[in-house]
Amino acid sequence: GIQVEQSPPDLILQEGANSTLRCNFSDSVNNLQWFHQNPWGQLINLFYIPSGTKQNGRLSATTVATERYSLLYISSSQTTDSGVYFCAVENRYQKVTFGIGTKLQVIP
Amino acid sequence: DADVTQTPRNRITKTGKRIMLECSQTKGHDRMYWYRQDPGLGLRLIYYSFDVKDINKGEISDGYSVSRQAQAKFSLSLESAIPNQTALYFCATSPGSGSPDTQYFGPGTRLTVL
Repeated sequence: GIQVEQSPPDLILQEGANSTLRCNFSDSVNNLQWFHQNPWGQLINLFYIPSGTKQNGRLSATTVATERYSLLYISSSQTTDSGVYFCAVENRYQKVTFGIGTKLQVIP
Repeated sequence: DADVTQTPRNRITKTGKRIMLECSQTKGHDRMYWYRQDPGLGLRLIYYSFDVKDINKGEISDGYSVSRQAQAKFSLSLESAIPNQTALYFCATSPGSGSPDTQYFGPGTRLTVL
């Protein structure tokens, strides 16, 4: 099956700092999503981004499908950004695979 | 997402017991999914259903079964629970083809098998 690797596995930021999270995948994908899991366990979709660039407030994402990676940018981080960020891809057979996530802690 | 509900939210059971986790959605989505989450392993797909008559095994279906009773309901059963099925279980839905197939997750069910 498709392999999904996320980096870094852990990240600690000072409030106000910027960061880039990366997702590499081993095969072509039909779609790619980024999710945020907050400290209470709730999973929220951030972006549906099989290719191109999207922005939503302080967050933006870019997927370069031909090079099999996606980046999630967080600018001016806030403590509420803490949690785990997951990348999930769907292959040509419509199977979804999640990466193991990047755990982000934003400290005041 | 309040449009996707899971019951129960927490459950403690004993080895060998039959357990059913239920998922309901009011989003009108065709596709539904069951995942489990274990520390350090992310989410792994157990089963998925693209409509009432279409059910597919995911990455880790052994020891689980599902039922899609209606478009809005998708249940996960553990016929004979074992301790390594202790995990956080998530249900998700997505609209399917023709739309951005974004997944929306329920709040999760924390299952402990003693």
